[in-house]
Amino acid sequence: NAGVTQTPKFQVLKTGQSMTLQCAQDMNHNSMYWYRQDPGMGLRLIYYSASEGTTDKGEVPNGYNVSRLNKREFSLRLESAAPSQTSVYFCASSEPGHHYEQYFGPGTRLTVT
Amino acid sequence: ELKVEQNPLFLSMQEGKNYTIYCNYSTTSDRLYWYRQDPGKSLESLFVLLSNGAVKQEGRLMASLDTKARLSTLHITAAVHDLSATYFCAGNYGQNFVFGPGTRLSVLP
Repeated sequence: NAGVTQTPKFQVLKTGQSMTLQCAQDMNHNSMYWYRQDPGMGLRLIYYSASEGTTDKGEVPNGYNVSRLNKREFSLRLESAAPSQTSVYFCASSEPGHHYEQYFGPGTRLTVT
Repeated sequence: ELKVEQNPLFLSMQEGKNYTIYCNYSTTSDRLYWYRQDPGKSLESLFVLLSNGAVKQEGRLMASLDTKARLSTLHITAAVHDLSATYFCAGNYGQNFVFGPGTRLSVLP
């Protein structure tokens, strides 16, 4: 049981480049989430997906797009990266029957220069 | 709009001492969560508090919830070095989760 996996672990982009962060979970959870973590600010929700085929905006969605490819996979895309998007990105999954207790992936450290 | 605050933000404590971390939230939250994060690592779930008066304990950590005061506490008993980490509380409305800024705890010998 791998839990929640994320790729890549580290990435450096130049301003204006695009990239997709991948997330997969093997716990058969319905809900998946993308967060960013910046120093001193805790985690902020970017987008979430309550079930396959649905996505909703969180607190800080601007500059990002998401795709819930299937029940296992939820990707986050930066179309035109900006230095303000330098952060650590965490994916998480949860299940309503377990009170939405979230299980987090290992994170992707992204630097935009 | 749900906002979550924690205090203190930084805490140094001696091994063997007790201390409490406070988590205040601004409006009704469906549930209250506590997570732990070690430096450079991911987050690990500690507790999920479902209703007013809920108390949960695991080892030296005990979490409680007072929904009337919109307050949750994480109490540390007889701290040990292994508890050094950053602790986050989080609230939610539906599947919108709001995290506090975290409390960085250092337990000194």
